[in-house]
Amino acid sequence: GESVGLHLPTLSVQEGDNSIINCAYSNSASDYFIWYKQESGKGPQFIIDIRSNMDKRQGQRVTVLLNKTVKHLSLQIAATQPGDSAVYFCAENIQGAQKLVFGQGTRLTINP
Amino acid sequence: GAVVSQHPSWVICKSGTSVKIECRSLDFQATTMFWYRQFPKQSLMLMATSNEGSKATYEQGVEKDKFLINHASLTLSTLTVTSAHPEDSSFYICSARDGGRSTDTQYFGPGTRLTVL
Repeated sequence: GESVGLHLPTLSVQEGDNSIINCAYSNSASDYFIWYKQESGKGPQFIIDIRSNMDKRQGQRVTVLLNKTVKHLSLQIAATQPGDSAVYFCAENIQGAQKLVFGQGTRLTINP
Repeated sequence: GAVVSQHPSWVICKSGTSVKIECRSLDFQATTMFWYRQFPKQSLMLMATSNEGSKATYEQGVEKDKFLINHASLTLSTLTVTSAHPEDSSFYICSARDGGRSTDTQYFGPGTRLTVL
């Protein structure tokens, strides 16, 4: 069925290193993808998005890559900081359905 | 911009009572609002989509008579959990889409923690 999944449920990185969080999706009709950050007890916070007609988009310290051939999405965080510790969700917007389907989430922890 | 608030932030109630949760878009008009439920250490699951002035569209498996949704204005949607039971205890999160922008981005509220005793 339709699903958005993540390769790794947890990721631990050293402070200052780059983090890469991966996501696989299965619906080829999805036209829009978003990464959200969720801290404990809070709602998801928008990080960056990308449309299906692009393969890369950069923000401040974050980059999203989209590979439609293998239905893969990744979030790269440069120079990871303690404040980046959170659960990161990818979400896909299913064209026509106008709703988001969320992945399982990856917990990112930062080692000092 | 694009701020969404929820009230209350947490609520504890007795089994069998009803609880209302409000979701407001503070600086934009939300033509569409969404309600999600999130259990501990799990992802967000969409419960329903509501468009201002019309009936909500519920996801498969979500009881519309138990989770009443009202979207009477462009800045307010409410979710009422009727006859709540302990299994309804969860983190309820709303989101809103900015009707003034040509984007599919959803902006999320801070969530409401419901505990049913």
